[in-house]
Formats: sequence, C-alpha cells, structure tokens
Amino acid sequence: AQSVAQPEDQVNVAEGNPLTVKCTYSVSGNPYLFWYVQYPNRGLQFLLKYITGDNLVKGSYGFEAEFNKSQTSFHLKKPSALVSDSALYFCAVRDGTKGNEKLTFGTGTRLTIIP
Amino acid sequence: DVKVTQSSRYLVKRTGEKVFLECVQDMDHENMFWYRQDPGLGLRLIYFSYDVKMKEKGDIPEGYSVSREKKERFSLILESASTNQTSMYLCASGRNSYNSPLHFGNGTRLTVT
Repeated sequence: AQSVAQPEDQVNVAEGNPLTVKCTYSVSGNPYLFWYVQYPNRGLQFLLKYITGDNLVKGSYGFEAEFNKSQTSFHLKKPSALVSDSALYFCAVRDGTKGNEKLTFGTGTRLTIIP
Repeated sequence: DVKVTQSSRYLVKRTGEKVFLECVQDMDHENMFWYRQDPGLGLRLIYFSYDVKMKEKGDIPEGYSVSREKKERFSLILESASTNQTSMYLCASGRNSYNSPLHFGNGTRLTVT
C-alpha cells in the first residue's frame, strides 16, 4: 500500500527566511509525487509534481521541491518566504504501476509566515 | 482554466436525511473523485469514477454512494446522514493519465445535526 507522511503539523517561518515543508513517501512502484496548497475556505491548488528526470522540480509561486529516492523524500522549499505563503500544504503520491490511479495524500502541514 | 464547481459551500442537514452533493467540471476530464477532509486526517478518498456510469470504492466508502450519469457531473449521496459525516467534502477531476494533477472544487462544508 502507498502512503505519505508529513511529520510536521505546523511550521513557522519568519518572512524573508527560507522555508522547508517535509514529506516522505512509500510506494511499491515508481513514485509520482505532487504538492498542493490550500488557502482558507478554498479547495486544493496544484503547486508542482515530480514524475521523472531532474530531481529538483520548480512550480508555482516560486516553490520548488527536491526528490530524493534514497531517503524516499520530496520536501517542498522556497528561498524567501512571503506572508502570503501562509496556508495548508499537502503532499501526495501516486504509484506509477499501471492500473493504480489513486492519489494518496498526507495529513497536511500548516505553514505560517511571521511578518 | 479548469473549473470544478460544487453546488453548495455550506449545508446543514439533520440525522437520517438523504443528502446530495453535486460536482460539475468543465474540462472534459475522464476521472472524478470525492474526498473528505478532516483535521489531522488529511484527505481521504471516498469514491472515484473513470468514466460515465463507472464507479470504484475509495478508502472510506461506507455510508456513501455516487452517481455519474454524465461525464461532467459526479454526485455524492449520503443515504442516511449521520453526525460522523460532518466534514468538508472536496470534489476533484483529472485526465486519465498518471502524471496529471487533480483539479479541486472549493469544497462543501456539511454539518449533520
């Protein structure tokens, strides 16, 4: 069975500092990895994905994520945090094995950027 | 832009009522999904559909059913609402491709009293 772990429920970062939101995963086949962001009273918005190729992927709003196969991690990063980055962030994984379409989400990390 | 529209933002229903949550997408996506979101539990998949009239159980299907009579519309049905079904319900759609992201509606917050 596939799974995702987001070990931190809450992350606080000062505005202008770099931020990292952690994610580790477990799948039996090839991992397809995604990050989503949820602003208050809204649905989830897609940020970025890793399917294959370069381990560092860039996405929306200046975010990037690094895929590390040996550590089974896919941490979300941004060099300089903005107050507007405050939101709930979800990591998700899909097993690339043919026939498995389900996307499994982590429990979410609430990111608060302190002015 | 893809638009996924959920018919209600807030619903309040009584225990035992039959509840319909409606979702419509405008991008001709093959796949549609219903999730519920609860604090500390993240998103859990209730049901999904790959095509019209097709449905598959997700991780927590008990107490729910779905209907997909048209490609653009996916309905979630609570046959007899219970208080433990109070939650945020999120509908999503996506292409029939492993590397395609999902597109979400803004959610329906259901309260069962």
